[in-house]
Amino acid sequence: DAGITQSPRHKVTETGTPVTLRCHQTENHRYMYWYRQDPGHGLRLIHYSYGVKDTDKGEVSDGYSVSRSKTEDFLLTLESATSSQTSVYFCAISATLGRRGGEQFFGPGTRLTVL
Amino acid sequence: AQSVTQLGSHVSVSEGALVLLRCNYSSSVPPYLFWYVQYPNQGLQLLLKYTTGATLVKGINGFEAEFKKSETSFHLTKPSAHMSDAAEYFCAVSPGNQFYFGTGTSLTVIP
Repeated sequence: DAGITQSPRHKVTETGTPVTLRCHQTENHRYMYWYRQDPGHGLRLIHYSYGVKDTDKGEVSDGYSVSRSKTEDFLLTLESATSSQTSVYFCAISATLGRRGGEQFFGPGTRLTVL
Repeated sequence: AQSVTQLGSHVSVSEGALVLLRCNYSSSVPPYLFWYVQYPNQGLQLLLKYTTGATLVKGINGFEAEFKKSETSFHLTKPSAHMSDAAEYFCAVSPGNQFYFGTGTSLTVIP
């Protein structure tokens, strides 16, 4: 299994509070991604990173920010959590881009509940 | 625009029967295509991928998929379903920097 950990694995928070989720990899892969998974929507990309300090927005980036100061860590921050951000969040990594045949490896997920 | 459509959010098959999960894609450039499986309370894991070359791709656990460019399809099959195949399956396309996932198909295997 690819070395990807996510922390915390479960979190309950209140509306309006900031929340930071951490993804840590030991594979030294260049690309890292944050997705959210919701029933009926599959996985939707929030943000991704193509190197240290290089990030870009995905399909559902509003309300989220990311940072990558080291190759191995990719942080997702909800500046002011809302109930619509209740979801399961997955981190993924890849060594190469999909268009070059690179597949993604996924972490175990973080279940976030915003009350 | 890139998108992936998975026909049938729920599929039920009897143990030993053929499994067929459908995936159609749209892509403005030649795509790379993937199938992932997700077991309850776990992350996704790769079943198989199509990049270039042979259009029939074999994956893990006896699954295979065929890329049909004329039909823009990448359907997943397995000749004989096993109870352990019960899971959610996602088709994905990656024409560029991002991956685009379908909404998933939940497979139930009936004993």
